[in-house]
Amino acid sequence: EFVLTQSPGTLSLSPGERATLSCRASQSVSSDYLAWYQQKPGQAPRLLMYGASSRATGIPDRFSGSGSGTDFTLTISRLEPEDFAVYYCHQYGSSGYTFGQGTKLEIK
Amino acid sequence: QVQLQQWGAGLLKTSETLSLTCAVYGGSLSYDYWNWIRQPPGKGLEWIGDINHSGNTNYNSSLKSRVTISVDTSKNQISLKLKSVTAADTAVYYCARGMAALAARPLDYWGRGTLVTVSS
Repeated sequence: EFVLTQSPGTLSLSPGERATLSCRASQSVSSDYLAWYQQKPGQAPRLLMYGASSRATGIPDRFSGSGSGTDFTLTISRLEPEDFAVYYCHQYGSSGYTFGQGTKLEIK
Repeated sequence: QVQLQQWGAGLLKTSETLSLTCAVYGGSLSYDYWNWIRQPPGKGLEWIGDINHSGNTNYNSSLKSRVTISVDTSKNQISLKLKSVTAADTAVYYCARGMAALAARPLDYWGRGTLVTVSS
C-alpha cells in the first residue's frame, strides 16, 4: 500500500519565519506526480504546487516546493498571517490519489 | 473561471444511499477528470474516485464496492452515489477537477463541500 507521511504533525511558528514541511512517500515516486494543497477552516483545499515545484496560478513566490524520490518539501520563505492553515501533499498514481495526513501550521 | 456547485441530502440514516450532484460552470466536462473527495470532521482528505467525459471511472479500492460516479454531459454534471452508508461515512464531500494535462492531475477547482451526516 502506498502511503504519504507528512511531518511534523503541527508546526508552531511566528509571522516572518521560514516554514519547512515534509512529505515522505513509502516508495519512490516521480516528482511530476506530487502536489501540495492549503486548507483553511471551513474552506475547500486550495492547490499550491504541482509537479513538486511548480506554483499553481496566483500562488505567491514565497511558496516553493522541492524534492525527489521519496522525500518532498514545501517551504514558505516568510510566513504571512494568512499562511497559517493545514497543508496536504498528494500523489497521483495507478491507484488514484493518495493524500498525506496533513501538517497544521499554527501561530506561535 | 470554472465553478463547481454541489448539492445533495445532508442527513441520512444508516444503510441508506448517499447521493450528491456537482454542476460545472464556466468549463466543459470534455477535458480533465472530475473527482469526489471526502473529509471526515477534523480529519484528512480521502479520494473517493473520478470520472471523465466518456464515463470512464476509477475508484478508491476501499470504497469501490459501494460507490458509483456518473456523468451527464448534457447537463455538465457529475454525480456520486454511495450505498449502505454508516456513521463512518459522515464527512464533508467535495467535487473537484483534476487537470488531465499534468501528471499529478492536480485538483485545481473545488466545490464548496457538502456535509453529509449519517445517523442511526
